[in-house]
Amino acid sequence: NAGVTQTPKFRVLKTGQSMTLLCAQDMNHEYMYWYRQDPGMGLRLIHYSVGEGTTAKGEVPDGYNVSRLKKQNFLLGLESAAPSQTSVYFCASRTKNSYEQYFGPGTRLTVT
Amino acid sequence: RKEVEQDPGPFNVPEGATVAFNCTYSNSASQSFFWYRQDCRKEPKLLMSVYSSGNEDGRFTAQLNRASQYISLLIRDSKLSDSATYLCVVGRMDSSYKLIFGSGTRLLVRP
Repeated sequence: NAGVTQTPKFRVLKTGQSMTLLCAQDMNHEYMYWYRQDPGMGLRLIHYSVGEGTTAKGEVPDGYNVSRLKKQNFLLGLESAAPSQTSVYFCASRTKNSYEQYFGPGTRLTVT
Repeated sequence: RKEVEQDPGPFNVPEGATVAFNCTYSNSASQSFFWYRQDCRKEPKLLMSVYSSGNEDGRFTAQLNRASQYISLLIRDSKLSDSATYLCVVGRMDSSYKLIFGSGTRLLVRP
């Protein structure tokens, strides 16, 4: 079991560029989440999904889009990156029968 | 005001010391409570759930006071390996079961 994996681990973008972050889990979890973590702010929820084909907005969704075409994958897209999106992005998943969320190792994104 | 508030620290303690962290939450509808641990530049991992009756896991004891809306974590006999950031987390029972994270309390255990 790889658990939750994220690609890429690091990325530097220029303002206006686009990219997609991939989260994959092999635990057959129903729920998946995307967070960003900034100094002094804690983790903030961007978008989440309660099942394949469904997504919903979290606390800070502006500037991001997501898709959950397959149960094991949750993609986070930045259509036009801005310096304010410089952050560490964590993906998490959980089964519907447990409150514990399992996190991926994170993606460090810098937008210049 | 943040929904979950923690003292950012750092708490700098010698090995063997006992250290306590507190956390307050503002939403009385919060129904589940946790402490997560996050090592430097790593992902958060569940340390323990927190129950109204209090619960203990080895050197770690967690307490919940619903009336005052605060949660505590006590670490006894601190080890160097306990150095990390401790995140207070609350959850609400809705269809998404979202978790709300505090910004964390940093602990440094020195030899």
